[in-house]
Amino acid sequence: QVHLVQSGAEVKNPGASVKVSCKASGYIFTDSYIHWVRQAPGQGLEWMGWINPNSGGTNYKQKFQGRVTMTTDTSISAAYMELNRLRSDDTAVYYCAKGPEYSSLAYWGQGSLVTVSS
Amino acid sequence: DIVMTQSPDSLAVSLGERATINCKSSQSVLYNSDNKNYFAWYQQKPGQPPKLLISWASTRESGVPDRFSGSGSGTDFSLTITSLQAEDVAVYYCQQYFSTPRTFGQGTKVEIK
Repeated sequence: QVHLVQSGAEVKNPGASVKVSCKASGYIFTDSYIHWVRQAPGQGLEWMGWINPNSGGTNYKQKFQGRVTMTTDTSISAAYMELNRLRSDDTAVYYCAKGPEYSSLAYWGQGSLVTVSS
Repeated sequence: DIVMTQSPDSLAVSLGERATINCKSSQSVLYNSDNKNYFAWYQQKPGQPPKLLISWASTRESGVPDRFSGSGSGTDFSLTITSLQAEDVAVYYCQQYFSTPRTFGQGTKVEIK
């Protein structure tokens, strides 16, 4: 069955960078996009963008353009989301999820808590 | 961006009673060439990732109880839980995947009265 296993919690200072990983198994990694969605404490869901592991193509929400980089390593079926110049309002649980480009998200990672605090 | 607006923000329903959540999109998410609504419903319980309940506005995911149903088209959608169970206490989100950025509603918290 499909599994997406994410890296653990991180605490970062404002201005630093964080890189969250998402290790996929149970399906052909290049057959499905990886989406990243975040959720601030007590808040709703915010889509950040997707990456196509087959081509490396990305689509980022404009809000994150210039601050986010999504990559994959197809040799180990892993996806990564790096967010730079962290601010306190980037404190959130970051989820990876898989799905075709134009489809709902049926499989999600367990989430990675990123706390930005001095 | 397509704005998704859910109503109500929260609702309390007695066990066994019906719960209905509405979601309105700021523009149509019906793709004319395939006549499909690019719209989904998710359930999220505390400390868990969202769980996909319904895709294409009305297609229930495998394993989702049939007390959950989705309806609507274009810009107006509903999620109905016909007989609320204790395990249905959660926050429910709608989402459009018609265009990028993908957008979610603000969430509706369902509790037991």
